[in-house]
Amino acid sequence: AQSVTQPDIHITVSEGASLELRCNYSYGATPYLFWYVQSPGQGLQLLLKYFSGDTLVQGIKGFEAEFKRSQSSFNLRKPSVHWSDAAEYFCAVGGTGNQFYFGTGTSLTVIP
Amino acid sequence: GAGVSQSPSNKVTEKGKDVELRCDPISGHTALYWYRQSLGQGLEFLIYFQGNSAPDKSGLPSDRFSAERTGGSVSTLTIQRTQQEDSAVYLCASSFGLVGGYTFGSGTRLTVV
Repeated sequence: AQSVTQPDIHITVSEGASLELRCNYSYGATPYLFWYVQSPGQGLQLLLKYFSGDTLVQGIKGFEAEFKRSQSSFNLRKPSVHWSDAAEYFCAVGGTGNQFYFGTGTSLTVIP
Repeated sequence: GAGVSQSPSNKVTEKGKDVELRCDPISGHTALYWYRQSLGQGLEFLIYFQGNSAPDKSGLPSDRFSAERTGGSVSTLTIQRTQQEDSAVYLCASSFGLVGGYTFGSGTRLTVV
């Protein structure tokens, strides 16, 4: 069965520091992988997606993610975090029937 | 429209009342999804519509929940005899195939008092 694990419930980083949010998935075939961001009181916005090809994908707002098949991971990274990046981040894997499976999210706090 | 529109944005209802939540997807998107997000929780899949196919209702938590999609466009999620545990943000999303990812609406925050 498909599933997504985000092992970090909450992360705090200083503004300007680098960031890595972890995501591990379970899926029987080549997965479609996504990262979404949810700001307080808002819906989810797509940051980036991976389907095939280059395993390092670039997204909006300076984010990138790397697909590592051997580790079943799709970690999200940003070299320098801005205060406006404080939000909830969700990893998702595309499954059968067009349904996505979401992780439980990682809450990011950015301190000045 | 340019995005997925949900209404109302906030709804407070008394326990036992019925509520209807509306989702207007992006024009041309064939797939429509409803998710529920409880406080501090991830996204819980509720129901999925794809074109004219029978909907995937496997995520509906009880028979008090139902949804329909009229004309392949607007969808309504109905919760009958609301309970306090129904309090959550209900998110709607639409897509045109899997590769595009979902586009989410801003959600309806339901509070049952």
